[in-house]
Amino acid sequence: KQEVTQIPAALSVPEGENLVLNCSFTDSAIYNLQWFRQDPGKGLTSLLLIQSSQREQTSGRLNASLDKSSGRSTLYIAASQPGDSATYLCAVRPRQAGTALIFGKGTTLSVSS
Amino acid sequence: ETGVTQTPRHLVMGMTNKKSLKCEQHLGHNAMYWYKQSAKKPLELMFVYSLEERVENNSVPSRFSPECPNSSHLFLHLHTLQPEDSALYLCASSHGTAPGEKLFFGSGTQLSVL
Repeated sequence: KQEVTQIPAALSVPEGENLVLNCSFTDSAIYNLQWFRQDPGKGLTSLLLIQSSQREQTSGRLNASLDKSSGRSTLYIAASQPGDSATYLCAVRPRQAGTALIFGKGTTLSVSS
Repeated sequence: ETGVTQTPRHLVMGMTNKKSLKCEQHLGHNAMYWYKQSAKKPLELMFVYSLEERVENNSVPSRFSPECPNSSHLFLHLHTLQPEDSALYLCASSHGTAPGEKLFFGSGTQLSVL
């Protein structure tokens, strides 16, 4: 059974720091991996989607990498800002039948000014 | 706004009540989803509808009853819920159900069962 783990569960950094959020998954048979952002009391916003054949995706100050063989992904945030404070969720789309995304519990990021 | 609207935003209900959650998407998508987000647990897929037909039901108790009258609307009918059903219920939509499709989420309904 696919499991997704995110470490750390919470992270506090001062504004301007570069930071890395980690995601690991137990079964490398995936179609893709997606990073989402969730603000308190809000839904999820898709940040980056990496197909299984890709190694990384970039959007602005965000860079996500995927190492499928080791079951790991990282989300790199450059020059963090207070507006980046949110919970970041990682999810994989397994190759087994069905449409479910399997989510991690998330990392809650707090960026102080 | 992501184009997916959920109402109500907050709901408090007793265990004997019957209520419904509503989701509407304005994106022209063909697939809609219900997810449950409990405190300290990962998001769990509950139901998937594609072209108004239920294509997935992840062992959800019968006290949760989904309805998809058309491709733009999705309901979750609730009856005789338990306190452990208190959670954030998220609706999502996508163009189709192919593996590469991005999901677009609503803001959720925060449900409290007393």
